[in-house]
Amino acid sequence: QVQLVESGGGVVQPGTSLRLSCAASGFTFGSHTMNWVRQAPGKGLEWVAVISADGSNKHYADSVRGRFTINRDNSENTLFLQMDSLRVEDTAVYYCARTPGWGHWGQGTLVTVAA
Amino acid sequence: QPVLTQPPSSSASPGESARLTCTLPSDINIALYNIYWFQQKPGSPPRYLLFYNSDSDKGHGSGVPSRFSGSKDPSANTGILFISGLQSEDEADYYCMVWPSNAWVFGGGTKLTVL
Repeated sequence: QVQLVESGGGVVQPGTSLRLSCAASGFTFGSHTMNWVRQAPGKGLEWVAVISADGSNKHYADSVRGRFTINRDNSENTLFLQMDSLRVEDTAVYYCARTPGWGHWGQGTLVTVAA
Repeated sequence: QPVLTQPPSSSASPGESARLTCTLPSDINIALYNIYWFQQKPGSPPRYLLFYNSDSDKGHGSGVPSRFSGSKDPSANTGILFISGLQSEDEADYYCMVWPSNAWVFGGGTKLTVL
């Protein structure tokens, strides 16, 4: 069955960096576009970034463009989100999700940015 | 990125129906876009419910009951999620989403209470 497992979250200070991973299994990872979506505590969903199946095409939300980088390693079935220059407002649970279809999400990893 | 407007809350009784709306800004013509709907319960990732573009172009997520359905009101530039035969388990947050231009955009979410 399809599984997406995020990791790499934690507590960091503003201005620092963090890299999230999403390990995929149960499907042909290299055939699917992948997304990061986040949710701040008590708030709604916010799409963060998308990467095409072969990694050649990427798009970002305005709120993270220039600070976050989405990448993937199809040989390792893993999606990444490199987060630089982190801000307090980046505090959220970060989910990876498979598209098309949006039917498969990970359980999320919590990133807390605090002084 | 554009803002999709959802009422913060809605309520209905078991067995009744709920009509949740998602209004697009005037510069995004809903007639041109698929609108996606998600359900989220506390402590869980979002669950994909369905997408709707037209009566001939729509689809449900795996295992989603047919009492969840989508539609559009072009005159109001609004997408609609209709839930018939409400059950207590339908109490959740509901989010709409569209891809207007190189980015996915979520609505702010509606908290549905089943009284």
